Parts: sequence; structure tokens; C-alpha cells
Amino acid sequence: DSGVTQTPKHLITATGQRVTLRCSPRSGDLSVYWYQQSLDQGLQFLIQYYNGEERAKGNILERFSAQQFPDLHSELNLSSLELGDSALYFCASSPRRISYNEQFFGPGTRLTVL
Amino acid sequence: GNSVTQMEGPVTLSEEAFLTINCTYTATGYPSLFWYVQYPGEGLQLLLKATKADDKGSNKGFEATYRKETTSFHLEKGSVQVSDSAVYFCALSVGAQKLVFGQGTRLTINP
Repeated sequence: DSGVTQTPKHLITATGQRVTLRCSPRSGDLSVYWYQQSLDQGLQFLIQYYNGEERAKGNILERFSAQQFPDLHSELNLSSLELGDSALYFCASSPRRISYNEQFFGPGTRLTVL
Repeated sequence: GNSVTQMEGPVTLSEEAFLTINCTYTATGYPSLFWYVQYPGEGLQLLLKATKADDKGSNKGFEATYRKETTSFHLEKGSVQVSDSAVYFCALSVGAQKLVFGQGTRLTINP
């Protein structure tokens, strides 16, 4: 158990809908990262937050957005869903005072868009 | 840009065989290197790490050495077990930034 929690574990929805994925980082970790794992794209970085502020952006679609709240949990919002958005979405957190960015991953949310 | 290339899988071995999964990288700056493992139906777990050249990371019988001269971080294990069956990802990070992953190598160990 990494200490990172994600809910829900599974999500099945239809095209055009909007969903919210939730992540709670390990206690004391200020950084939260979101990754998407799909069969064709592999593991891709989406976005990073540090202590409530956006720190870095990767291959995140405009239909996707995220935020980190004062209690440090984070939410990833996916809207106007398409079939191609079906994937495993991981959240990771990293310790505050560490230079080499070891990240601890949650169990993931499997999103299926029908 | 930064990138990681892993040997293509899948890899199938018999129990107690020697394992090598090749990983090479391209990076600007001085990356830290990682191996993550993903067991069926689970998230990623950090297997081992190395933060500077010539460091050797080790865990659960797995080892990898950070080779700056060959930009490599090959994963090895002397005697694999059925329980090692999983997908293995090589990754790098420069500073406090995102992880860049290789494509993953699926390993199956037969009894």
C-alpha cells in the first residue's frame, strides 16, 4: 500500500458525459501528478500540482482539467468524453524535501467510455 | 527532449532463469532513474532507483546500475520466480519533474 488513494476504482460512462476522478496523496506529500495509461499511448504524464498550484502540464487535452484543494487532495475532471478516453488514470504523489522525485502511485481509476 | 527506450516484450522465462531487461535513456540535465513494476490489476510500485552515475539500485533480488557512459539502466535478476510475472517500466526524472516512462516490458515466468 503506497498510501495514495484514488476513487472510484472503476467508472463506466457514455460518450459526451463528464466525470471526476479523486486522489488523496500520502500524508505530507505536497506534489500530485496525474498520468494516463492506455494501450496505444503507454504511460503519459498529464499534469502536476504542488501545494495547490499547477506546476507542469503534459499531454493533457483541453477537455480535461484538474485542481488541488487546500487539504491537498486532487481531482481530475474529464468532460465531453470520447471512446478514446477509456484508460487507466493514475495519481502519484512525491515527498516535499527530496531532490530525485520518487513518486508513489495510487491503484488507479479505470475509466470505460461506451 | 527526455525519453526512455525499453527492450520490447513480451519476455517469457522459466523459473530460476536469469533476467535482463534493457533500458536506455536520453535526457537533458542529470536524470534520476527508476524501475517500476505493475502486477496484474494493480498500480505501479517503485522497484528500485538510482540518482547518480554508477549508483546501483537493488530490491527483492533485482538490480540495476546507472551507466552514464552508455546511458543505460538495465534491470537484472539472477533467479526469477513465478511471482515476478508483471509489467516492468523503466523511467527517468530530471529535477522535481514528471516521470518519463518507457513503453513497458511484460514478463511471464513459467514454473
